[in-house]
Amino acid sequence: NAGVTQTPKFRVLKTGQSMTLLCAQDMNHEYMYWYRQDPGMGLRLIHYSVGEGTTAKGEVPDGYNVSRLKKQNFLLGLESAAPSQTSVYFCASRELGGANTGELFFGEGSRLTVL
Amino acid sequence: DAKTTQPNSMESNEEEPVHLPCNHSTISGTDYIHWYRQLPSQGPEYVIHGLTSNVNNRMASLAIAEDRKSSTLILHRATLRDAAVYYCILTSGTYKYIFGTGTRLKVLA
Repeated sequence: NAGVTQTPKFRVLKTGQSMTLLCAQDMNHEYMYWYRQDPGMGLRLIHYSVGEGTTAKGEVPDGYNVSRLKKQNFLLGLESAAPSQTSVYFCASRELGGANTGELFFGEGSRLTVL
Repeated sequence: DAKTTQPNSMESNEEEPVHLPCNHSTISGTDYIHWYRQLPSQGPEYVIHGLTSNVNNRMASLAIAEDRKSSTLILHRATLRDAAVYYCILTSGTYKYIFGTGTRLKVLA
C-alpha cells in the first residue's frame, strides 16, 4: 500500500519556467490538499479538493493552479515560477466524512528550488 | 477560521511526561481539535483528535478543557523519537486544515 506519492521529489527551476507536481493516492480518498512549507515555518494551505472535478483556494493560492481530473490524482501547477515559490510542497489526502473522521495522510514532500 | 495559539518551543527530559498546550479561544461548537506532528525531514503525521471528551490512543492523550477554549496533548513518556514539531489544528465543515507554526519539542537524553 503506497499511500500518498508525490512526483518529483526534487526539482530545480529557473525563474519563469513552468512545472507540475503530481500527487497520487491509492486509498480512494475523497479529499486532497496541497501545502507549502518554507524553512523553519509551518505548513500553509495552497489549494484543496473535496472531490473529483472540484477545487478550492486555501490560504496562499496565488501563483498556483490545480486540477483534480481523476479521484486519485491532484496536480499542482506553477505557470511561471518565481524565487518566492522555493519551498517544500506536501500533498495530503483524507477519506470522505465529517471532521470527526479526521486523519490526513501526507506524502513525503517535493523540494522545489527556483533560481 | 478559528485560530490556535501554541508556544514556539518546549523541552522535556526523556521518559518524562510532556504536556503540550494549545489555546483556541474562538473555537466554534462544530470545530474538532486535531493534533499532528512532523518529524525532521518528513511530512506531518496524525496524532489524535477530539471534540469535547478527553481521548486516548496508543500515541498520546488529548485533554480538552470544559469550555473547549484550550486543549493539551499529553505524551506519557517522551522518547528521543518524539522530538518533532507538534501542530494543534481546528477543523469544521469546510474541511480546511490550517496548520499554523506549531510547537517544536526537544527531548533531552
